[in-house]
Amino acid sequence: DVKVTQSSRYLVKRTGEKVFLECVQDMDHENMFWYRQDPGLGLRLIYFSYDVKMKEKGDIPEGYSVSREKKERFSLILESASTNQTSMYLCASSPMTMYQETQYFGPGTRLLVL
Amino acid sequence: QKEVEQDPGPLSVPEGAIVSLNCTYSNSAFQYFMWYRQYSRKGPELLMYTYSSGNKEDGRFTAQVDKSSKYISLFIRDSQPSDSATYLCAMSEGGGADGLTFGKGTHLIIQP
Repeated sequence: DVKVTQSSRYLVKRTGEKVFLECVQDMDHENMFWYRQDPGLGLRLIYFSYDVKMKEKGDIPEGYSVSREKKERFSLILESASTNQTSMYLCASSPMTMYQETQYFGPGTRLLVL
Repeated sequence: QKEVEQDPGPLSVPEGAIVSLNCTYSNSAFQYFMWYRQYSRKGPELLMYTYSSGNKEDGRFTAQVDKSSKYISLFIRDSQPSDSATYLCAMSEGGGADGLTFGKGTHLIIQP
């Protein structure tokens, strides 16, 4: 089975802090994604990556950056956390095959910014 | 435009009933359609994956896609209390590694 793990289930940070969210997948998938999920807004794509050191902006990249130094690891960075970044953050991965649209999700990180 | 519409519910049905969940979309370029199940405070889990129009069955679950109407459905037969969750539809144009466009999810409650 595909396994996507995220470094923290729950995280509390203060406004202005730099926040790192880590994601690791063990299925050698080329594609990795970061979403945030908010009540009434659903899942929205922040950034994605289709290869090491490659990144593409999603629908809501403002206030975020990403890093992909190794194939299995994709990090989301909040340079200066703000209260409107309080959310559930979900990482996903998919293979670069005919089934690349089938994304597999991690358990999520609930981030609270005070 | 990449809007996907999905009734948020909650949809409450008795155990054993047939459940119908639906999404409509506006982007005619969508070709890949998925249904995810998400339990409370967990990540989404892929349930069904279909390409283009047609039906796909997997156990108690059937996914239908009608591209001419821009309408997709998920049917759950013999519903169980363990099916209580939020169901998310998702779709993409394909041909690349871009992200999916999700509906906002329907909260389903199966009453024992």
